[in-house]
Amino acid sequence: AQSVTQLGSHVSVSEGALVLLRCNYSSSVPPYLFWYVQYPNQGLQLLLKYTSAATLVKGINGFEAEFKKSETSFHLTKPSAHMSDAAEYFCAVSDNTGNQFYFGTGTSLTVIP
Amino acid sequence: GAVVSQHPSRVICKSGTSVKIECRSLDFQATTMFWYRQFPKQSLMLMATSNEGSKATYEQGVEKDKFLINHASLTLSTLTVTSAHPEDSSFYICSASWGYRWDEQFFGPGTRLTVL
Repeated sequence: AQSVTQLGSHVSVSEGALVLLRCNYSSSVPPYLFWYVQYPNQGLQLLLKYTSAATLVKGINGFEAEFKKSETSFHLTKPSAHMSDAAEYFCAVSDNTGNQFYFGTGTSLTVIP
Repeated sequence: GAVVSQHPSRVICKSGTSVKIECRSLDFQATTMFWYRQFPKQSLMLMATSNEGSKATYEQGVEKDKFLINHASLTLSTLTVTSAHPEDSSFYICSASWGYRWDEQFFGPGTRLTVL
């Protein structure tokens, strides 16, 4: 069975500051891991994904995430927050067949000018 | 590219009625579509996976007779909530992928269902 835990349902950062959104996973098989972003009244958009290749994954809009097996983590980071980054972020985990696909509860990111 | 729409975006209905939600892939052929349900402050929960021309595969605990899914074409899937009750009120999100690529899902904007 697989699951993800997103620590912090709300995160606030100042514009220009580091963004760190936490995601820990539980999986009995090698996981595939994803980060999605949801802007108000829009669908989810894939930011990046880890599918057993490089452990440091670069995504769109300057985001990246590092797969750390020893820590069962896949935290999302961005060096400098922009106002346009304010949104809901979801971490998700799956096995390599897609038969089980689970989302975290989401983290709402607020960027303070 | 890879745009998915949902209609309606919001719907309010009376208890006991049926509601149909449409999910369309606007600029690609979606061999697989997924339906999710999202409760406030909770995860998206996968309800079912449908492949074009086949019966949908429902997740454990999801009533197939309650939530009817039809994926009749490569661009359209529908979710019908039959005999809706207040506990069915939720945010329903669809996603679509091509070539059976579950890891390349494109999400619709969601439909807010309120059952009175």
